Amino acid sequence: DADVTQTPRNRITKTGKRIMLECSQTKGHDRMYWYRQDPGLGLQLIYYSFDVKDINKGEISDGYSVSRQAQAKFSLSLESAIPNQTALYFCATSDPGQTDTQYFGPGTRLTVL
Amino acid sequence: SQELEQSPQSLIVQEGKNLTINCTSSKTLYGLYWYKQKYGEGLIFLMMLQKGGEEKSHEKITAKLDEKKQQSSLHITASQPSHAGIYLCGADQTGYALNFGKGTSLLVTP
Repeated sequence: DADVTQTPRNRITKTGKRIMLECSQTKGHDRMYWYRQDPGLGLQLIYYSFDVKDINKGEISDGYSVSRQAQAKFSLSLESAIPNQTALYFCATSDPGQTDTQYFGPGTRLTVL
Repeated sequence: SQELEQSPQSLIVQEGKNLTINCTSSKTLYGLYWYKQKYGEGLIFLMMLQKGGEEKSHEKITAKLDEKKQQSSLHITASQPSHAGIYLCGADQTGYALNFGKGTSLLVTP
């Protein structure tokens, strides 16, 4: 079984809808991250969390919110989706005691019409 | 934020050929990570380099961090179709997350 899972893997939605992307990990890592990837722009950090009570904005947090329900779960919400949020979204985890290498989930492809 | 420049942006090589991808920073790299991404899929961790002059290998892929810790190279020997994908370098320049280069797209032809 994969260490970092994301659901759904693909989602098509309409402008204005609320969407939640979920991430779960079995690696036992405290740190979790949400990135988005757009063609030609690389990966951009949306939010990160160093433990259940610590949540921080990344470079492109506007229009997004997150919830860290447990050490293993970190959800990303789009309160009112817009077309330029169409992208590939990745969750990642890391452990600072293990070189802080980030391990990524398989991604969620989101299309906002 | 710190920018990581990757070159080339894309690469097409014939199977069996060697190739090199570069990742350059204007600031010192204190941890440089290489990932591979198959098109539309997640990132797979390849290697991490920390020390100036460090070199690591995994199968036919070798990564080096230069002495000044401002440039890293990823070298693939005798490329195979399974090497195709997007290679990304990442570095911790913020203290809390990785910045990534824009990636190098590799296509290996028969």
